[in-house]
Amino acid sequence: KQEVTQIPAALSVPEGENLVLNCSFTDSAIYNLQWFRQDPGKGLTSLLLIQSSQREQTSGRLNASLDKSSGRSTLYIAASQPGDSATYLCAVYPGGFKTIFGAGTRLFVKA
Amino acid sequence: DAGVIQSPRHEVTEMGQEVTLRCKPISGHNSLFWYRQTMMRGLELLIYFNNNVPIDDSGMPEDRFSAKMPNASFSTLKIQPSEPRDSAVYFCASSSAGSTGELFFGEGSRLTVL
Repeated sequence: KQEVTQIPAALSVPEGENLVLNCSFTDSAIYNLQWFRQDPGKGLTSLLLIQSSQREQTSGRLNASLDKSSGRSTLYIAASQPGDSATYLCAVYPGGFKTIFGAGTRLFVKA
Repeated sequence: DAGVIQSPRHEVTEMGQEVTLRCKPISGHNSLFWYRQTMMRGLELLIYFNNNVPIDDSGMPEDRFSAKMPNASFSTLKIQPSEPRDSAVYFCASSSAGSTGELFFGEGSRLTVL
């Protein structure tokens, strides 16, 4: 059974720091991995999608990597800003229409 | 593109009342998902549809919950009768099946049952 774990559950950093959010999954048989951002009271916004054949994806200050063999993904945020404060969720798509979500990492960037 | 549209954004009702949540998926997407999010359980998949057909409803908690998708552009999630433990945020998401499986979420419907 596929399980997705995100560590840490919460993170507080000063503005300007580079940071890494971690995601691990138990079954390497995935089609893709998706990182989402969720602001309080809002829906999930897709940040990056990494296909199983890819190693990483970049969008602006965000870089996500994928290592299927070890069951890990990281989301790197460069030069963090207070506006980056949100909950970040990792999700894996093993096929068959079901996406498995982690519990998320709550990020707070202090000005 | 307008994205996934959900209504109402907020619903407050009394125990025993019927609640209907609505969703319009992204045009051209043929997979639709209903999720429930709570602090205790995180995101739970309730049901998903492919080409308007319910494929898996094993996540629907009880018979009080039902979902329909009468056409490709509209789905409803109904709770009858509602109970306080149904209080949660209900999300609708859509994707284009057979491609990447990338999910796109609506803003959610926050339900409070008193």
